[in-house]
Amino acid sequence: AQTVTQSQPEMSVQEAETVTLSCTYDTSESDYYLFWYKQPPSRQMILVIRQEAYKQQNATENRFSVNFQKAAKSFSLKISDSQLGDAAMYFCAFTSNFGNEKLTFGTGTRLTIIP
Amino acid sequence: NAGVTQTPKFQVLKTGQSMTLQCAQDMNHNSMYWYRQDPGMGLRLIYYSASEGTTDKGEVPNGYNVSRLNKREFSLRLESAAPSQTSVYFCASRTGLAEAFFGQGTRLTVV
Repeated sequence: AQTVTQSQPEMSVQEAETVTLSCTYDTSESDYYLFWYKQPPSRQMILVIRQEAYKQQNATENRFSVNFQKAAKSFSLKISDSQLGDAAMYFCAFTSNFGNEKLTFGTGTRLTIIP
Repeated sequence: NAGVTQTPKFQVLKTGQSMTLQCAQDMNHNSMYWYRQDPGMGLRLIYYSASEGTTDKGEVPNGYNVSRLNKREFSLRLESAAPSQTSVYFCASRTGLAEAFFGQGTRLTVV
């Protein structure tokens, strides 16, 4: 079974600083996709970034980047120049290319931005 | 473009009552999902449907049933609601391994 673990229930960062959110996963498959979603107080789920396991290059989207370590099964999210609007719950998610279409989420990290 | 639409947005039920949560997507997605979100537990998969006519259990299917009515619609039914089913429910859809698009959620309270 696929599992996703986020070991940091809460994190805080000073505005304009950098923060890293951790995610590890467990799978026996070699071809899969990983995602980070953001959930602000509005409850809307918003895709932040996505990484394909077959790509060695880490994905980046503006101030958001990942550190994907396939051997360690680790997929952390780095937020640079943190802004007040980054305050939200962040969820890591996993899906395999095996064909069962299941999308598995971690328990989330609540990020607080300190002005 | 509506995306994923869930109804209702809020609902209060008495223990033992039944109800159906509706979900519809207009993006021609093959896969649809129902999750529940509880504090400290993230999003847990209840049921999913990889294609029209198929449904599969997720992590927490007990107490729920689903119907993939057609490609657009995927409903979640609570036959006899229990207080443990108090939660926020999300429907999502996608095609292949692309990003999932979510509805705005349904806050359900069972008293």
